[in-house]
Parts: sequence; structure tokens; C-alpha cells
Amino acid sequence: DADVTQTPRNRITKTGKRIMLECSQTKGHDRMYWYRQDPGLGLRLIYYSFDVKDINKGEISDGYSVSRQAQAKFSLSLESAIPNQTALYFCATSDAGSTDTQYFGPGTRLTVL
Amino acid sequence: TQLLEQSPQFLSIQEGENLTVYCNSSSVFSSLQWYRQEPGEGPVLLVTVVTGGEVKKLKRLTFQFGDARKDSSLHITAAQPGDTGLYLCAGAWGGGYQKVTFGIGTKLQVIP
Repeated sequence: DADVTQTPRNRITKTGKRIMLECSQTKGHDRMYWYRQDPGLGLRLIYYSFDVKDINKGEISDGYSVSRQAQAKFSLSLESAIPNQTALYFCATSDAGSTDTQYFGPGTRLTVL
Repeated sequence: TQLLEQSPQFLSIQEGENLTVYCNSSSVFSSLQWYRQEPGEGPVLLVTVVTGGEVKKLKRLTFQFGDARKDSSLHITAAQPGDTGLYLCAGAWGGGYQKVTFGIGTKLQVIP
């Protein structure tokens, strides 16, 4: 079984709809992250959480919110989706060690029409 | 925010050729990771380098961390079609809670 899972894997929605992307991990890591990936822009950090009570904004948090329901679960919400939020979304985890190596989920391809 | 520049962004080579991908910054990183990503999948860690001047080998892949910990390179010897993918470098920085910055990636195509 995969260590980091994301649901759904693909989603097509309409402008203005609320969308939730979910992430679960079995790695036992405290740190979890949400990124979006766009062609030519690379991976950009949306939100990150270093433990259940800790939530931090990344470089592109506007239009997004997150919830850390448990150590193993971190969800990303788009309150009112817009077309420029069409992207690949990745959840990642890391251990609180010196290298902060990131372990990624398989991604969610989100299309906002 | 620390910036990481990767070059080249695109690379198309014939099977059997050698290639080098570069990851450069004006900032110092405490560690640097290289990832490989295939279409429709998340990035998968290849290696982490921590010490300035460190060289790590993974079969035909050789990774080097610069002496000043500001740059890194990935060299592939005798590339194979299975090496095709997007190669990403990522640097960890900051004291206490460390942040990670990703390069934009190098898209490699190895033609049989």
C-alpha cells in the first residue's frame, strides 16, 4: 500500500463550487504539505502543517484553506473554485529531521471549468 | 525565499549519451534532494545530499553537492529510455523549522 494517498485522483468541477482534496499517510510523519504544480512554474507550496495544532500559509495560500484532522490526515479545500486553480495538486509528508526530505502522494488532477 | 535555478529546462538525447543537469542558487542550503517525476505521478526521491562536496552514486546516476552547498549536479551516464521523466531539485533551508524550495525541473527525454 502507498505511504501517502490522495483522493480523488481526478476531478472536474465548475467555477464557484467548493472542492475538498484529501490526503492520508501511514509514514508516521508529523509534517504535511500541500503543493500545486503548473507547467513552467514548478511546485509551489500552498499550506503546511508541522503537527496537528500547527497550520501555516505557504507562498500561494489565497483561495485555499486546510484542515489537519489528525496526524495522518490533511485536507485542502477550495472554497469557491476558479479556472486558474486548474492544476496538479500534491500532498507530501516529511519527518522532522535535518534533511526534511519530502515524500509525495500520487497527486490530484483538478480541472475547474 | 531561497531560489533554485535548474538548467536545462528541457533535454532530448539519444540512448547511450551522457548528460548533466544543474541546480544553482546564490543561497546556502542545509541539504538538497533530487526527485524524479513521471507523468501522472508524484515526485519520487532519488537522493539527499547534506555535506558540501558530497558525491553520491545511484547506479548510472551521480549526484554532487557543491562545496559551498549552493549548487548541485546530476550526471547520468549512458542514458536509457527508462530515465525519461522530470527531474526536480529541492533545497532545505532555514533554522528551526526548515523550509524547502523546489527548482522548476528538467524534462528529460531519452530517445531509443
